[in-house]
Amino acid sequence: GNSVTQMEGPVTLSEEAFLTINCTYTATGYPSLFWYVQYPGEGLQLLLKATKADDKGSNKGFEATYRKETTSFHLEKGSVQVSDSAVYFCALSVPSGSARQLTFGSGTQLTVLP
Amino acid sequence: AAGVIQSPRHLIKEKRETATLKCYPIPRHDTVYWYQQGPGQDPQFLISFYEKMQSDKGSIPDRFSAQQFSDYHSELNMSSLELGDSALYFCASSLSGAATNEKLFFGSGTQLSVL
Repeated sequence: GNSVTQMEGPVTLSEEAFLTINCTYTATGYPSLFWYVQYPGEGLQLLLKATKADDKGSNKGFEATYRKETTSFHLEKGSVQVSDSAVYFCALSVPSGSARQLTFGSGTQLTVLP
Repeated sequence: AAGVIQSPRHLIKEKRETATLKCYPIPRHDTVYWYQQGPGQDPQFLISFYEKMQSDKGSIPDRFSAQQFSDYHSELNMSSLELGDSALYFCASSLSGAATNEKLFFGSGTQLSVL
């Protein structure tokens, strides 16, 4: 079956620190990979995605590269801000006919201190 | 741009009551997904609909049912509520059929509290 394993949190960083949140996956077929962010009291928002090996997704200073050889999709940001404090979910989807569903990791709580 | 709209935003029920959650997808999106996120948990897929037909089924309890209507909105009906049903229920929509469309758009969720 499909599964996503995420780095356990919580993660606490100072503003302008470097961020890495590890994510590895197991999937049948050729999955698409995603990072979603959830701010307090809000729904999930797509942060970035990659649909094939060696693709790099990027948005708002965050980056993640689809590494098929290591089955990984680690999230990185060079300089975090207080406003980046949220829960980050790594996810994958494998097309199944006309329907697709996401398999999520357990989420990583990030807190950035001023 | 219009997003996925869920109602109500918050819902408080007592054990053994029923609840109905509604989801209005982005216009022209024909596929709807329901997810349940317990406190501190990752979202779990419940069920999805494509063109008003159930397309996938996940870990949805038998006490729950859902349907998609002709205008593509969906309703999740929950009966005999239990304390463990307290969670954030997300709806997401997508436009199926496009091979390159891997994006799901999520609503803000309905927070259900069962007392």
